Amino acid sequence: AQSVTQLDSHVSVSEGTPVLLRCNYSSSYSPSLFWYVQHPNKGLQLLLKYTSAATLVKGINGFEAEFKKSETSFHLTKPSAHMSDAAEYFCVVSEGGSTLGRLYFGRGTQLTVWP
Amino acid sequence: DAGVTQSPTHLIKTRGQHVTLRCSPISGHKSVSWYQQVLGQGPQFIFQYYEKEERGRGNFPDRFSARQFPNYSSELNVNALLLGDSALYLCASRETGGFSPLHFGNGTRLTVT
Repeated sequence: AQSVTQLDSHVSVSEGTPVLLRCNYSSSYSPSLFWYVQHPNKGLQLLLKYTSAATLVKGINGFEAEFKKSETSFHLTKPSAHMSDAAEYFCVVSEGGSTLGRLYFGRGTQLTVWP
Repeated sequence: DAGVTQSPTHLIKTRGQHVTLRCSPISGHKSVSWYQQVLGQGPQFIFQYYEKEERGRGNFPDRFSARQFPNYSSELNVNALLLGDSALYLCASRETGGFSPLHFGNGTRLTVT
């Protein structure tokens, strides 16, 4: 069975400081992992995806995530936060193959960026 | 290119009523999925359709049903609405093959009173 645990429900940072959003996953198979972002009253936007290629994945808007199989983690980072990064972030796991359309979401981490 | 479009954007219904939500996928995408996002939680999988056939169903009661049309658009139907059905309903589409990700629409906000 697939599941995701986002370790922080809220993260607050100052503009220009690093961002770390933590995620642990559980999967019976070789997982595909994603980070999605949701701004208020908007749908979900894909930030980045891991599909068993390079373990360090670069995404949009300066975000990146590192897949660590030994720790079953897929933490999201950004070197310098911007006010526009304030949003809800979801770590997502999926089996590969024909079930790829079925995603398992974490509960989300609300990122607040202070000026 | 247009993204995934959903209609309506907002909807208010009364308990016991029926609702139909609509989704148009990105052009060329043949797979459509539906998710329910209750306030404060991550989205939960409801259905996946591919080539007009149901390919997956989440843990939702039979009051929830869906279908996909020949043009790959989709409808989600919910009968006998309950207060707990109040949520943001998200539609997503993807290309087939490989590890292509889901592309989400902005959702339909359903309020049941």
